Amino acid sequence: DIQMTQSPSSLSASVGDRVTITCQASQDINNYLNWYQQKPGKAPKLLIYDASNLETGVPSRFSGSGSGTDFSFTISSLQPEDIAIYYCQQYDNLPYTFGQGTKLEI
Amino acid sequence: QVQLVESGGGVVQPGRSLRLSCAASGFTFSDYGMHWVRQAPGKGLEWVAVMWYDESNPYYADSVKGRFTISRDKSKSTVYLQMNSLRAEDTAVYYCAKDSVAKEIAAPFDSWGQGTLVTVSS
Repeated sequence: DIQMTQSPSSLSASVGDRVTITCQASQDINNYLNWYQQKPGKAPKLLIYDASNLETGVPSRFSGSGSGTDFSFTISSLQPEDIAIYYCQQYDNLPYTFGQGTKLEI
Repeated sequence: QVQLVESGGGVVQPGRSLRLSCAASGFTFSDYGMHWVRQAPGKGLEWVAVMWYDESNPYYADSVKGRFTISRDKSKSTVYLQMNSLRAEDTAVYYCAKDSVAKEIAAPFDSWGQGTLVTVSS
């Protein structure tokens, strides 16, 4: 199985800050890498797909980059409503696997 | 709009069975792969199973292989997860999720249900 290592596991930042989360795959995943946001008590929401593509309706302050095994997710200007846990996920190989999550706090 | 509504969760004793349902609406159900993803209390996301749009080769996480079975009923636009020989470690919120691309094998999950809680306890 492909292991997804996400860091940091938690992050505290201020409104307006630029925030970056990284995700490393245990092997090349051909950019089949997604980022999801999960707010407390809610289902995950797709933000970024295929490493760098913004899902329709998602604010442009969210972005993703990377290739091969190393990927990053950035919020350019943190907003209060961005408080959530963020997960990366690979879908290059079954079983699909998620990173352990990054809890973002203000 | 797309709606996925899970049901069937509850409290069950170890070793017993439970069947979850996910009723879909707002899209052409037969064109999309459907997945189950679970989340143990306070833990991260774990992908569980997939039924592709063409119903070929369902696939399971090792943790549930041989105990869980995914199926779908096109006439009811519903995907199911039959869970047998349940263990305490199966306790989780179970979400169904939809592939984002029609008639594709493998795609991001663009819609999720609200989840249904399964608690395995004596």
